[in-house]
Amino acid sequence: DAKTTQPPSMDCAEGRAANLPCNHSTISGNEYVYWYRQIHSQGPQYIIHGLKNNETNEMASLIITEDRKSSTLILPHATLRDTAVYYCIVRHSGNTPLVFGKGTRLSVIA
Amino acid sequence: SQTIHQWPATLVQPVGSPLSLECTVEGTSNPNLYWYRQAAGRGLQLLFYSVGIGQISSEVPQNLSASRPQDRQFILSSKKLLLSDSGFYLCAWSWGPADTQYFGPGTRLTVL
Repeated sequence: DAKTTQPPSMDCAEGRAANLPCNHSTISGNEYVYWYRQIHSQGPQYIIHGLKNNETNEMASLIITEDRKSSTLILPHATLRDTAVYYCIVRHSGNTPLVFGKGTRLSVIA
Repeated sequence: SQTIHQWPATLVQPVGSPLSLECTVEGTSNPNLYWYRQAAGRGLQLLFYSVGIGQISSEVPQNLSASRPQDRQFILSSKKLLLSDSGFYLCAWSWGPADTQYFGPGTRLTVL
């Protein structure tokens, strides 16, 4: 699976959009981009995933560049409860385990 | 809907004692099952995964073992715990073409 690079930490004001970047320059054509987050002392929570097209669900939006070498997770209106470590993971679909990096620690500030 | 259970939630064990952590999934059949560990201040490390009953793949050689006696049951065991086995143990399941993994609440193990 391709390696990802994320900033170690970010701050975001409550109510503003949080934009979390991820670089995955070695991604191959059949690898998906997954995002998870882990709130302190809890198990990781699935957020969203995509292959080529931008995706949106009730939690977030995922913007993937045309060359697929980077992506951005957008939390449109961050709340204090969004404070967590966010992991960007690239993997093939189907029976392949997730490989977690160090992620980005997002702090939402009141 | 599917749910995943882990127990116990917390556990304190002496060095050299045995370990058994259990994970069960409800609401799905033939899931893929995973055990991860997160040491304090560290990232998640995949320990074992299983694509079916009796089928276990080990990612990291250590004094832990895993078993899958039933379709929706995954057990993590050790005969003799080490101090370095302390950590947050997470079970996850996935199914189908998308194979998105969903995690349980975890077991926090402290070995003294």
